[in-house]
Amino acid sequence: GAVVSQHPSRVICKSGTSVKIECRSLDFQATTMFWYRQFPKQSLMLMATSNEGSKATYEQGVEKDKFLINHASLTLSTLTVTSAHPEDSSFYICSARAGAGEKLFFGSGTQLSVL
Amino acid sequence: EDQVTQSPEALRLQEGESSSLNCSYTVSGLRGLFWYRQDPGKGPEFLFTLYSAGEEKEKERLKATLTKKESFLHITAPKPEDSATYLCAVQAGGNEKLTFGTGTRLTIIP
Repeated sequence: GAVVSQHPSRVICKSGTSVKIECRSLDFQATTMFWYRQFPKQSLMLMATSNEGSKATYEQGVEKDKFLINHASLTLSTLTVTSAHPEDSSFYICSARAGAGEKLFFGSGTQLSVL
Repeated sequence: EDQVTQSPEALRLQEGESSSLNCSYTVSGLRGLFWYRQDPGKGPEFLFTLYSAGEEKEKERLKATLTKKESFLHITAPKPEDSATYLCAVQAGGNEKLTFGTGTRLTIIP
């Protein structure tokens, strides 16, 4: 099946720093990528949807200036958590698909811990 | 608002003991219902997509079924390696996003 690579798998940072997470589709061109956040024992919550070459669409309650999403190419999307705080500590997961109606494939996730 | 409720929250089975996981949903115009498997610290792994009531799909020891209100994931003669959290998600018509349930944490005891 299709492979979505997410990096890093784990990051620990100090409060106030920014963290960038990369999501790559390795064997297909991803027209749409999605970013989710998951707290322990909770459901995946969609943060934003990004289409290549256009601005991301953020879900209600997600601060677009805090969670910067860039989908500059058909194989790469990045999520930057700016000025991270302990409450931003969570498991962040990206997903990608080749086109509308196509299967959604998930990355392996990034565990962010903000001290 | 689309809603997905999964039950039970956690399930412990002996190896070989068959059972079913439930996913109840309310959505305006179902476009697809998805089942994923998630191992600890990993992203979800796709299992099945169901599109219409009455549809069934099978893969190894798993079978997914769909009605107008709920979906079941049946697991037959499970093995310890089937231990994981199973997530259900729905996609509404005209909408790209998936709405996930909180999952069922399945543990198979050898």
